[in-house]
Amino acid sequence: GAVVSQHPSWVICKSGTSVKIECRSLDFQATTMFWYRQFPKQSLMLMATSNEGSKATYEQGVEKDKFLINHASLTLSTLTVTSAHPEDSSFYICSATGRGDYEQYFGPGTRLTVT
Amino acid sequence: DAKTTQPPSMDCAEGRAANLPCNHSTISGNEYVYWYRQIHSQGPQYIIHGLKNNETNEMASLIITEDRKSSTLILPHATLRDTAVYYCIVRAGAGSYQLTFGKGTKLSVIP
Repeated sequence: GAVVSQHPSWVICKSGTSVKIECRSLDFQATTMFWYRQFPKQSLMLMATSNEGSKATYEQGVEKDKFLINHASLTLSTLTVTSAHPEDSSFYICSATGRGDYEQYFGPGTRLTVT
Repeated sequence: DAKTTQPPSMDCAEGRAANLPCNHSTISGNEYVYWYRQIHSQGPQYIIHGLKNNETNEMASLIITEDRKSSTLILPHATLRDTAVYYCIVRAGAGSYQLTFGKGTKLSVIP
């Protein structure tokens, strides 16, 4: 149980375009979802936390107008990178927690390359 | 959350036990010790967590010192598939979901 999926697993886009990444909890209701970013050879950095039906809470230094997060249902959160630039190329990972469950279950990650 | 210190890298022979240390000298009474690992280009995988007592599951054992200032993750019979970055994370208990990842320990299992 407690499976989290991400789609797509990798994406290449051109500079200036927007790309959407989906995060789904497959077998549980995710009351809270987290989005992380990981640059090569670095650790995971939390970008934002979203609760179902509420606006996301962004970490300091993360542009909320550039990284749009929507958590419209208990099984789906999306991260949209708007006007992507090469420096946004990274590994984006989501995680989710269920109601009353403090454990975080991670998705497999999405590799974004902006050319 | 308290900060953790881990060695940047370790090697372990295949089939032997891998012992990964973690220092968390500023841990407070309500903080748990969590271990995750990340195999290359994958999302982190939960391994084990504990508060005071030693814990064991099908993946690993967690030994926490009596003063709780350090802990050791033990993989009893390391395989090549255990090659990964292992993260020791201290996290507050009830009411706090956030995980703060440090640099972790890169474990290389050698054939």
